[in-house]
Amino acid sequence: NAGVTQTPKFRVLKTGQSMTLLCAQDMNHEYMYWYRQDPGMGLRLIHYSVGEGTTAKGEVPDGYNVSRLKKQNFLLGLESAAPSQTSVYFCATQDDPSRGYTFGSGTRLTVV
Amino acid sequence: GQNIDQPTEMTATEGAIVQINCTYQTSGFNGLFWYQQHAGEAPTFLSYNVLDGLEEKGRFSSFLSRSKGYSYLLLKELQMKDSASYLCAVRGRAGANNLFFGTGTRLTVIP
Repeated sequence: NAGVTQTPKFRVLKTGQSMTLLCAQDMNHEYMYWYRQDPGMGLRLIHYSVGEGTTAKGEVPDGYNVSRLKKQNFLLGLESAAPSQTSVYFCATQDDPSRGYTFGSGTRLTVV
Repeated sequence: GQNIDQPTEMTATEGAIVQINCTYQTSGFNGLFWYQQHAGEAPTFLSYNVLDGLEEKGRFSSFLSRSKGYSYLLLKELQMKDSASYLCAVRGRAGANNLFFGTGTRLTVIP
């Protein structure tokens, strides 16, 4: 029982390159989220999903796309990476709203 | 809009009690969460308040006053391992599960 698994854990990209971050969960949770965490900014919601086949924009969606083709996977894509996207990315899942989120271990992305 | 304020840093002594405050102004309110985050790690869930009052869970307690837009996290019998950032998060309107996070309070426990 792995919980929430994020891959990769670290990545360095050049400006303009693309990549996909994968979040996989084995808890059968309906809700999944992608956040970014930057110093002094707190966690900010990028995109989220309330179930398989659904996605919605959060606070800071520009420059990112997402897909949830299977219930257990939530993918975050960067089509053309920019230095402003250097951050730590966290995936989170949720079933019961009173229990809060379960977070993955994070992906540290650097765009040079 | 959403505005959540917490002190940036706090220091407390091992064995003591510390209170971390959080004030919020959000469009809608449907619950407040506290998370603990050790450096370089993911946040972990500590507590949830949706009604006014105190929720106690071992050494940790969380209080909510909806009329004042105020919450605090109380940590008792501080241990060195409690050195971490503590994040306050608010869920806005009913029917939405998205959380809005404050910037966090970095707590340092000293011997």
